[in-house]
Amino acid sequence: NAGVTQTPKFQVLKTGQSMTLQCAQDMNHNSMYWYRQDPGMGLRLIYYSASEGTTDKGEVPNGYNVSRLNKREFSLRLESAAPSQTSVYFCASSEREGYSTDTQYFGPGTRLTVL
Amino acid sequence: QQQVKQSPQSLIVQKGGISIINCAYENTAFDYFPWYQQFPGKGPALLIAIRPDVSEKKEGRFTISFNKSAKQFSLHIMDSQPGDSATYFCAASTSLRWTGANNLFFGTGTRLTVIP
Repeated sequence: NAGVTQTPKFQVLKTGQSMTLQCAQDMNHNSMYWYRQDPGMGLRLIYYSASEGTTDKGEVPNGYNVSRLNKREFSLRLESAAPSQTSVYFCASSEREGYSTDTQYFGPGTRLTVL
Repeated sequence: QQQVKQSPQSLIVQKGGISIINCAYENTAFDYFPWYQQFPGKGPALLIAIRPDVSEKKEGRFTISFNKSAKQFSLHIMDSQPGDSATYFCAASTSLRWTGANNLFFGTGTRLTVIP
């Protein structure tokens, strides 16, 4: 049982390049999330998917797009990377939609640098 | 605007001492308050959580104290150990029932170092 997995672990991009961050969970969870973590800012929600087939914006969605490919996979795409998107990106999942007490389980993160 | 305010930013404690991290919130719609622990190079992991109808929750050496009227809560780590050295995030959650997803707001984090 791997939990939440993310690829790649590290990535360096040049300004204007695009890339997709991949996330998968094997816990049969309904809801999935993408966060970014910046020094002194904590974790901020970029996008989430309450259930398969639905996605919605979080606190900081600008410059990102997401796809909930199926129940297991939730990808984050940067169409034209900017230095301000240098961050550590975490994917998370939780069992049920609409339950604030459900634990969010986090992946190991992707460290992205945009030059 | 930070929904959950956390202090201190960093904390150094001697082994065996008590570590205390404080958080405050404004939104009374929050109905669940978890604490996450993050080791370097890893994702955050749930440590302990409390609901606002309870004033204290204890799990081993970790205790959450919750003051609903003051809209404040804190994490106490008793008998702190070097293995507790990590970054700790408080968080607050509200069910977004119209969208069907819970939404977790994090504090800015506290880097705890426990000196042997």
